[in-house]
Amino acid sequence: GQNIDQPTEMTATEGAIVQINCTYQTSGFNGLFWYQQHAGEAPTFLSYNVLDGLEEKGRFSSFLSRSKGYSYLLLKELQMKDSASYLCAVFPGGSGNTGKLIFGQGTTLQVKP
Amino acid sequence: ETGVTQSPTHLIKTRGQQVTLRCSSQSGHNTVSWYQQALGQGPQFIFQYYREEENGRGNFPPRFSGLQFPNYSSELNVNALELDDSALYLCASSAGTGSPGELFFGEGSRLTVL
Repeated sequence: GQNIDQPTEMTATEGAIVQINCTYQTSGFNGLFWYQQHAGEAPTFLSYNVLDGLEEKGRFSSFLSRSKGYSYLLLKELQMKDSASYLCAVFPGGSGNTGKLIFGQGTTLQVKP
Repeated sequence: ETGVTQSPTHLIKTRGQQVTLRCSSQSGHNTVSWYQQALGQGPQFIFQYYREEENGRGNFPPRFSGLQFPNYSSELNVNALELDDSALYLCASSAGTGSPGELFFGEGSRLTVL
């Protein structure tokens, strides 16, 4: 089966650091994505990990451990505009799966002053 | 601005009706994927079109069908609408098949089935 788990909701304070975890069990693995989705808007690409380790992009970093089926998204110096849903998605690859991403349910992050 | 445009943005249908949703992909992108996002859930893959042919399908019944045109724009058709079809339908374009790379999503079409 295909299963991606992430917390439903998180709350953090402006200026702080927050880590959003994602665990996955999929029939194949060819990369993991993080997307940000503000309410009523389209998801926007944040990061892509295909090898183990940390990818850093400004205030956002994403980590992957393929052996543990685990990833996290780290947001530093939180701003109010970071309040959004964060979606973890796996590209399983394989025959017939071209272009198919499996998404988790999303983590709604609320940043408070 | 992502460059992916969808229409209509909102629509209301009744059970048993049919609906067509439209998507124009970002310039230079030849692959279009469609996703269904229920309220409070992550998007679920419906299918992908590449070079005017379906190229990968998720776990959706045959009443969900699609088309891709020579200009790479696409349509999603849903027949015999059911109440559970109420959702946000997202179109995403990318530059090719294989690894999806960076998908560019449109703002979506919000469908309500009464």
